[in-house]
Amino acid sequence: DVKVTQSSRYLVKRTGEKVFLECVQDMDHENMFWYRQDPGLGLRLIYFSYDVKMKEKGDIPEGYSVSREKKERFSLILESASTNQTSMYLCASSPLGQGDEKLFFGSGTQLSVL
Amino acid sequence: GESVGLHLPTLSVQEGDNSIINCAYSNSASDYFIWYKQESGKGPQFIIDIRSNMDKRQGQRVTVLLNKTVKHLSLQIAATQPGDSAVYFCAENMDNNDMRFGAGTRLTVKP
Repeated sequence: DVKVTQSSRYLVKRTGEKVFLECVQDMDHENMFWYRQDPGLGLRLIYFSYDVKMKEKGDIPEGYSVSREKKERFSLILESASTNQTSMYLCASSPLGQGDEKLFFGSGTQLSVL
Repeated sequence: GESVGLHLPTLSVQEGDNSIINCAYSNSASDYFIWYKQESGKGPQFIIDIRSNMDKRQGQRVTVLLNKTVKHLSLQIAATQPGDSAVYFCAENMDNNDMRFGAGTRLTVKP
């Protein structure tokens, strides 16, 4: 059974803390993505990666960075967490293709920044 | 900017009835569309997809209709069941691997 695994289901952090959200996929997918999900706004793309050590900014990269040292792992980093980063974070992966590959999502990490 | 949107944020149907969830998109260059289902506490899961060279595609109890003239996408669920209660998202592929999502519609199935 294919899987995208996010390391934490719930996280509570304080303002100013450095936060790491980890995501691992076991499908040997080239593409990996980080979205945040907020009520009424749907899913917004933060960063994505097409290959190891490659990263591209999505629609809302400010306040975030990412790391992809291995093909199966894509980390989202909040350098200095702020309350407006309280959200549901979803990791996804897809195989390399022609733009018609569906995304496989993890179960999400609900982050609360106090 | 262009975006994917939904006509209704919530939909309530009686068990056994058919459900129709609508989605409007504005990027005429989008060539691939997906419907996802997100149950409580889970990530979105793929339901069905359709390419822009098609206007209809059927799956098991689900049908997606694409009207490129008015840039409209719909998801039809036949004989809706309690297990269909979830948030449904449409997504469009605006460029290679640049997938944009709508805000979602919450479907509630009443027994």
